[in-house]
Amino acid sequence: DAKTTQPPSMDCAEGRAANLPCNHSTISGNEYVYWYRQIHSQGPQYIIHGLKNNETNEMASLIITEDRKSSTLILPHATLRDTAVYYCIVRVRLGNEKLTFGTGTRLTIIP
Amino acid sequence: DSGVTQTPKHLITATGQRVTLRCSPRSGDLSVYWYQQSLDQGLQFLIQYYNGEERAKGNILERFSAQQFPDLHSELNLSSLELGDSALYFCASSGLAGNTGELFFGEGSRLTVL
Repeated sequence: DAKTTQPPSMDCAEGRAANLPCNHSTISGNEYVYWYRQIHSQGPQYIIHGLKNNETNEMASLIITEDRKSSTLILPHATLRDTAVYYCIVRVRLGNEKLTFGTGTRLTIIP
Repeated sequence: DSGVTQTPKHLITATGQRVTLRCSPRSGDLSVYWYQQSLDQGLQFLIQYYNGEERAKGNILERFSAQQFPDLHSELNLSSLELGDSALYFCASSGLAGNTGELFFGEGSRLTVL
């Protein structure tokens, strides 16, 4: 699986859009970008994933650059409940393969 | 609610003891994964089972073992416990190949070794 690089921490004001970057410059053509988050000591939660097209769901948007070497997770209207560690993971999309977590970005939403 | 159930939620025991953590995957999911998260540490993959068979092994100590039963629930056995084994242990499950590749995590079992 390709290695990812994320900033260790970020702050965002409540109600504003939170933009979390991820660098995955060694990504292979068949690898997807996944985002998970872990809210204080809870089990990690799936947010979104994508291959090369931008994706949006009820939680977030995922913007992947054309060369696929980086991506940005966007939480459009951050709330205090979005305070969590966000993990960007790159892997081949298979139904039954482990996830390898890095150190992630600790996002703090400020009132 | 992810649909993955882990018991017990909290467990306090002494060094040298043995404990068993239990995981019930989502209905129909064949794969079960175990992760360890020590205080202020990242999520470390321990082991994966698929339909009763070991599928992948990560940084699992020899003192630890796991199995998946015919009803697909899984148990993680931790023996000769040391202070450093204190951690959150997460179980996750996933479905058949061809789905989104998403793993569904339980709420974890917090183990404290005194």
